[in-house]
Amino acid sequence: DAGVIQSPRHEVTEMGQEVTLRCKPISGHNSLFWYRQTMMRGLELLIYFNNNVPIDDSGMPEDRFSAKMPNASFSTLKIQPSEPRDSAVYFCASSTRATRGGRPGDTQYFGPGTRLTVL
Amino acid sequence: EDQVTQSPEALRLQEGESSSLNCSYTVSGLRGLFWYRQDPGKGPEFLFTLYSAGEEKEKERLKATLTKKESFLHITAPKPEDSATYLCAVQAKGDTGRRALTFGSGTRLQVQP
Repeated sequence: DAGVIQSPRHEVTEMGQEVTLRCKPISGHNSLFWYRQTMMRGLELLIYFNNNVPIDDSGMPEDRFSAKMPNASFSTLKIQPSEPRDSAVYFCASSTRATRGGRPGDTQYFGPGTRLTVL
Repeated sequence: EDQVTQSPEALRLQEGESSSLNCSYTVSGLRGLFWYRQDPGKGPEFLFTLYSAGEEKEKERLKATLTKKESFLHITAPKPEDSATYLCAVQAKGDTGRRALTFGSGTRLQVQP
């Protein structure tokens, strides 16, 4: 399996521009997560989808951020307009329910990330 | 609110010098505790999942253990290639709205030859 695929790997843009990050989850996984990683705040959840439906978007910083999952194999995270404080590494992760000894547990597999720099 | 605290923030070891990383957590019912390894410029790589106190998992030079309040990642006779940031995360029980992971800030491990 190719793992979680993200594009672009690097994005440099100017303040006020629209930015779109893309993610292809692992085939067969039914949950998809968007995280943001910064030195100050570490890894933080932005939003997650279950069976293509947004379940928890409480981590989305503000209305400038939006995410979609039109089908099971593709998701986008859009920032419009972008600001310098949005500079971070954005990760996408996917998972499927796993059982072990009767106990459920989710293992999330991460993509390589998109490093976003907003000037 | 779920909280995860990792210590130390950074650790420097000599090759072959065993040590342990700590992950203390507060969660309203633990569904699972996860350990990840992250190399510079890459995404977190899954290592272990622990589900209940007393459980242990091993992989090569790494061994993860779990109590009701904390988890340890023991590194035995580390090698330079073990250098990375190790992240701990918890997932709470409950409905599907709680499937997200809460991460600690990580421990940066450097193993010198």
